[in-house]
Formats: sequence, structure tokens, C-alpha cells
Amino acid sequence: DTEVTQTPKHLVMGMTNKKSLKCEQHMGHRAMYWYKQKAKKPPELMFVYSYEKLSINESVPSRFSPECPNSSLLNLHLHALQPEDSALYLCASRTTTGPPSGYTFGSGTRLTVV
Amino acid sequence: KQEVTQIPAALSVPEGENLVLNCSFTDSAIYNLQWFRQDPGKGLTSLLLIQSSQREQTSGRLNASLDKSSGRSTLYIAASQPGDSATYLCAAITQGAQKLVFGQGTRLTINP
Repeated sequence: DTEVTQTPKHLVMGMTNKKSLKCEQHMGHRAMYWYKQKAKKPPELMFVYSYEKLSINESVPSRFSPECPNSSLLNLHLHALQPEDSALYLCASRTTTGPPSGYTFGSGTRLTVV
Repeated sequence: KQEVTQIPAALSVPEGENLVLNCSFTDSAIYNLQWFRQDPGKGLTSLLLIQSSQREQTSGRLNASLDKSSGRSTLYIAASQPGDSATYLCAAITQGAQKLVFGQGTRLTINP
């Protein structure tokens, strides 16, 4: 398995809703990432997990709450979002051992906040 | 702080042409450099990864080079096809850092 799987592919939520984005990989990668991408812009780093511990938080608002319950799963919990949070949310993973490897990205979740 | 720049921002060429996309970075202490392709509304597909000890990588019609001393990487696409139309992103990871720093991307259109 050489993929990063993200669910759902599309999500529409109201500003008072609570929802979660999920990311799963079975490549044994111990570094996992959440990125946010607005239209016609490159991805922006949100969070980095290394060995299931949060190692980087890029000053992301608390309405975004990441969770890494095990080495294969990464969640992003959403609460009280704003319309400007509408974007493509991308998950990525990378190995932390052996020869340097590249990043593997999922296909993303298209989030619309109404 | 690593900064990555891609030129041009957009490129439109007729089918069959060979073309070069450019990527420059400011910090030569690069760990590796990765080229991605992104179709509209989709995720990122990795095309080529060049490690710091390498000068180039090839995959099919694609060839990527890395020159750390000049802070440049190029992606060469041979015999372009309409299916190559997409946004191409280069990204660098600096030694010791955990972040992938992206360029702004080049939006490529191949006209039939």
C-alpha cells in the first residue's frame, strides 16, 4: 500500500457544526502532516506529527484540533469554523528512517463552510 | 529561512514541444527537492524526488535536475501532451527542518 487515504472527499458544514477529517496510511511512515490549500495558492503547513506527537503547530486557530491516535491515523477535528476556512485540506506522510524519502500526499478533502 | 520561487507562473505551449520549468531556492543546505503535479481540485502527485547528493532524476518523459551551488532546479518535459496540463509545484526540505517549502507553482497548458 503506497497511498494516503483521506475521507471524506467533500464536506459542507455550517459554522456551528462539529466535523472531523480523517487521514490514513499503511506505509509505516511516522511523520504525518496537515496542509491547507486555497485556490491558486501552494499548500500551507498547519501541523506536523512525528511518532504520534505534535511537533509543529503553525499558529493555527484553536477551532482546528489535530489528533494522531496511532501511527496510521491522523484526524483533524473542526469546530465553529468560518467561511474563510473553506479550502482543500491535504494530508501527507513521510518516512523518518532509512534513505531520505519524499512526501506522499492524499487526494484531499474539499471543505466548504456555509 | 528557505524561500522557493517558480518561474514562469503560467506557460502555454503547443503539443509536442519540449519545455523547461524553473525552480530556485535561497538556502543551499537542502535535504531534498521534490516536484509535484496537481490537477484542478485534486491532491498532489509526486513526480520526482532529488536527494541532496544527486544531480538529476528521470522518469519517463520527465527529467529533473538539481544544482545546489546555484540554488536551482529544473523540470524538463519532453514531447509534451495535452494530458500534461496541470500545475507543477516544486518543494524543498532544508536539512534539519521538518517543513516542505513550496514554490507558487507553474500552471502549464498544452494546446492540442
